[in-house]
Amino acid sequence: GAVVSQHPSWVICKSGTSVKIECRSLDFQATTMFWYRQFPKQSLMLMATSNEGSKATYEQGVEKDKFLINHASLTLSTLTVTSAHPEDSSFYICSARALTVGETQYFGPGTRLLVL
Amino acid sequence: GNSVTQMEGPVTLSEEAFLTINCTYTATGYPSLFWYVQYPGEGLQLLLKATKADDKGSNKGFEATYRKETTSFHLEKGSVQVSDSAVYFCALDTNAGKSTFGDGTTLTVKP
Repeated sequence: GAVVSQHPSWVICKSGTSVKIECRSLDFQATTMFWYRQFPKQSLMLMATSNEGSKATYEQGVEKDKFLINHASLTLSTLTVTSAHPEDSSFYICSARALTVGETQYFGPGTRLLVL
Repeated sequence: GNSVTQMEGPVTLSEEAFLTINCTYTATGYPSLFWYVQYPGEGLQLLLKATKADDKGSNKGFEATYRKETTSFHLEKGSVQVSDSAVYFCALDTNAGKSTFGDGTTLTVKP
């Protein structure tokens, strides 16, 4: 089946530093990847939609200069949290959609970020 | 806009009990409907899906039927196990590609 990986699974960083999270589709090509944020005991909040070779589309209220997204290839998208602050601490989940229109999203296992 | 409303939790059941988690939706067009499961500390796993009206999705003893007339996609399982304890999310996808998720329902199954 389709597998999506995320790296790292856990990261702790100091306030003011930047953190990069990778999302890879391991056995399929994904034209579109999505980045979500999940707070404890809450649902997923879509942050941005990432299409290979073009700029990401951010949801309302998400700072694009704060959360930099790069979709360099059909199998890799990265989310960089710049100048992280404690309020950025969260569970970040990516998903990837296959080339076929209407295909299911496949989710990564998530990355837990803790900013001290 | 699109929205998904899920039965509020948490839900606590004894092993072998019958499970129903209600889900209703509002959407333009003809969405695909999904149930995802999230175990503690993990990402989401697709549990089942249905892409058109009257389709029934099923997996691991869980099933849900796409009811266009009632805009519902209720999740059911005849006999739950302790290992089914998790958070369940109902979601819809439109052809635009974005997903809309419900708030999630936490299920705890006690031995």
